[in-house]
Amino acid sequence: TQLLEQSPQFLSIQEGENLTVYCNSSSVFSSLQWYRQEPGEGPVLLVTVVTGGEVKKLKRLTFQFGDARKDSSLHITAAQPGDTGLYLCAGANAGGTSYGKLTFGQGTILTVHP
Amino acid sequence: DAGVTQSPTHLIKTRGQQVTLRCSPKSGHDTVSWYQQALGQGPQFIFQYYEEEERQRGNFPDRFSGHQFPNYSSELNVNALLLGDSALYLCASSLGSGRNYGYTFGSGTRLTVV
Repeated sequence: TQLLEQSPQFLSIQEGENLTVYCNSSSVFSSLQWYRQEPGEGPVLLVTVVTGGEVKKLKRLTFQFGDARKDSSLHITAAQPGDTGLYLCAGANAGGTSYGKLTFGQGTILTVHP
Repeated sequence: DAGVTQSPTHLIKTRGQQVTLRCSPKSGHDTVSWYQQALGQGPQFIFQYYEEEERQRGNFPDRFSGHQFPNYSSELNVNALLLGDSALYLCASSLGSGRNYGYTFGSGTRLTVV
């Protein structure tokens, strides 16, 4: 069974601070996807990283995929109250009969105070 | 451009009953996956449908079954409901496996079993 350990589980910070969320596994994934979910809504895709060592930037968000494709991180610079939400990492299985089933981490609940 | 549409949005059922949840994928997508998300947890993969066939299944009992129609829409059926089936059920669509380009999720159906 593949598992993704996401940390921290909760994060409460002030506006303007930086933060990093980590996603770790002992398994290799073909890609790592990050989603953000608001209460009462489904997850919304932020980014997909596919290549080991890949770094992607989305405005103030920086995503990194580990060289061995087993871990990933999300770094937010100068957090804003609009960044508040549940952040989920999800690994997509590689090859064989795995057709892109996503294994999700437990999620990180981020609260950014004005 | 409509995204993923799920119905109903909320549902209350009695233990032992049966339920059917419906999903219309994003225009242009041909693959539908279903996930169960318990409160405070990341989504858990139930199964994926492609070309009207179940292509991959997660660790869920046979009480959970599904169907995909020629227009790519899908249904999730749960028989003999248990209290533990109470959760947010998410439908996600993609073009192909979604491994490299991610998934589009619906807002979910909140199922409460009493």
